[in-house]
Amino acid sequence: DTGVSQDPRHKITKRGQNVTFRCDPISEHNRLYWYRQTLGQGPEFLTYFQNEAQLEKSRLLSDRFSAERPKGSFSTLEIQRTEQGDSAMYLCASSLAGEAEQFFGPGTRLTVL
Amino acid sequence: RKEVEQDPGPFNVPEGATVAFNCTYSNSASQSFFWYRQDCRKEPKLLMSVYSSGNEDGRFTAQLNRASQYISLLIRDSKLSDSATYLCVGNTDKLIFGTGTRLQVFP
Repeated sequence: DTGVSQDPRHKITKRGQNVTFRCDPISEHNRLYWYRQTLGQGPEFLTYFQNEAQLEKSRLLSDRFSAERPKGSFSTLEIQRTEQGDSAMYLCASSLAGEAEQFFGPGTRLTVL
Repeated sequence: RKEVEQDPGPFNVPEGATVAFNCTYSNSASQSFFWYRQDCRKEPKLLMSVYSSGNEDGRFTAQLNRASQYISLLIRDSKLSDSATYLCVGNTDKLIFGTGTRLQVFP
């Protein structure tokens, strides 16, 4: 399968723990996006990379959140000191720069107890 | 006010019905617009792009009115498999999603 992949698909953690999610984009795509989706809402933009450069971060991305894309391929999203309000689906998408269509991965569903 | 607004529904329609969804946007910086479809507990998938000239893909027709900042999606001859959430999306490099409109087609 050459689509966007995310790992893990599900994560249950206790409040205060750190979690890290991984996204592998479509191999030739140079842009990678992270979104968060809560129940009954559309996805909300968090941040995006072009190659290894992080070009934009949403104000939703508090200091507890950090994203990296060190080699311009896969990306990680880390949440430190998780809170119950962090419970959501975290979606990754990729695209080619200049192309509007983004391709989404299956998401990582985070539950913070 | 959200940048992209949609009626969350649900719209419950019988098979074969025609159903229309509307969406308004407030960010005039959006360069392009789309409708995405999202099935329950799945990722969003692109349904179609939206143009001022209107575009049609089979039973689906989308229209953009930049003057009134209004986007529409028309589904003709609804199928059971059309049951999903339809997300109205603006694009400014990042995607700006509406809350989605839930459609349930019943036999």
